[in-house]
Amino acid sequence: AQTVTQSQPEMSVQEAETVTLSCTYDTSENNYYLFWYKQPPSRQMILVIRQEAYKQQNATENRFSVNFQKAAKSFSLKISDSQLGDTAMYFCAFMTTNAGNMLTFGGGTRLMVKP
Amino acid sequence: KAGVTQTPRYLIKTRGQQVTLSCSPISGHRSVSWYQQTPGQGLQFLFEYFSETQRNKGNFPGRFSGRQFSNSRSEMNVSTLELGDSALYLCASSLAIGPVYEQYFGPGTRLTVT
Repeated sequence: AQTVTQSQPEMSVQEAETVTLSCTYDTSENNYYLFWYKQPPSRQMILVIRQEAYKQQNATENRFSVNFQKAAKSFSLKISDSQLGDTAMYFCAFMTTNAGNMLTFGGGTRLMVKP
Repeated sequence: KAGVTQTPRYLIKTRGQQVTLSCSPISGHRSVSWYQQTPGQGLQFLFEYFSETQRNKGNFPGRFSGRQFSNSRSEMNVSTLELGDSALYLCASSLAIGPVYEQYFGPGTRLTVT
């Protein structure tokens, strides 16, 4: 079984600054994907960024980037130039390549961006 | 293209009753997954359907069931409701099976059991 742990229940950052959200996971699988999802207050959850485990290069999507350390089973999300609209719950998630579309989520980090 | 829709958005039920929640995936999507979100347990996978077949089931009691229709719409049913079933129920749709296919989440159905 896979487990995903997010050790920071809450974080805050000033607008325009950079913040890093932590995530660790445990698995015996070799082929898997890692995701960060964003759930804004009272709005739908959306995919922020995805990382394939077999790719050594860290994924980036505009202001969002990850630091994927496979040996350490660590997958952190860096948000640069934070904006008020980044205020949300952020969930780290794991999916193997042989278990359908089942996502295993971490407990989430509530991020508040302050003006 | 319309997003994932879930009905109803809010629901209040009494212990012992049963409830049916509905999820309409994005047009063309054939996979629908269901998740339960609670403050205590977080997001937990319930089940997944693809082409009307249940592909995966999470660790939930048999009171939780689901189905998928030929138009890919999915329903989940919870019988003999308990207070602990109060949660936000999310569904997600994707084009097909596999992590390369992005999952799109609906707004959820907030179920309150009294």
